[in-house]
Amino acid sequence: DADVTQTPRNRITKTGKRIMLECSQTKGHDRMYWYRQDPGLGLRLIYYSFDVKDINKGEISDGYSVSRQAQAKFSLSLESAIPNQTALYFCATSDEDSIYNEQFFGPGTRLTVL
Amino acid sequence: AQKITQTQPGMFVQEKEAVTLDCTYDTSDPSYGLFWYKQPSSGEMIFLIYQGSYDQQNATEGRYSLNFQKARKSANLVISASQLGDSAMYFCAMRGPNDYKLSFGAGTTVTVRA
Repeated sequence: DADVTQTPRNRITKTGKRIMLECSQTKGHDRMYWYRQDPGLGLRLIYYSFDVKDINKGEISDGYSVSRQAQAKFSLSLESAIPNQTALYFCATSDEDSIYNEQFFGPGTRLTVL
Repeated sequence: AQKITQTQPGMFVQEKEAVTLDCTYDTSDPSYGLFWYKQPSSGEMIFLIYQGSYDQQNATEGRYSLNFQKARKSANLVISASQLGDSAMYFCAMRGPNDYKLSFGAGTTVTVRA
């Protein structure tokens, strides 16, 4: 079983709709992240959380919100989706005690906003 | 602010040959970490190799090695003995000293030819 899972894997929605992307992990990591990937831009950080009570904005947080429901769950919401939020979204986790603090990524959610 | 630059959008390499992927970075922090990730066509992000700014030796991991030139602020990835399965997009990323967020470059697509 995958250590970091994301649901849904693919989603098509319409402009103005509210949508939630969910992330769950079984790695026991405290730190969780949401990124979006756009062609030619790499991955950009939307929000991150270092524990359940800690939520921080990334470089492109406008139009997004997050919820850390538990250590293992971190959800990303688009309150009113717009077409330029069409992208591939990744959730990631990391362990503060690991040597490299490398991030482990989920499989991604491909979101299309029409 | 941290910035990662990958100037090669795409590269072709013959099977069994080596390929070097360029990455330069910009930071004023003396302590930082550099990462390379692989993204195959299936979309997942796979951690490949890590180099710390104070590491005296270049990192190696199997067929992957990192050519770290600190004074030039470059961290090029070398893939030796390329295989067809190495065809993917490769991302260079950096994190700061007290900052567990990653800043990513735009990525380089590698295509291995038989």
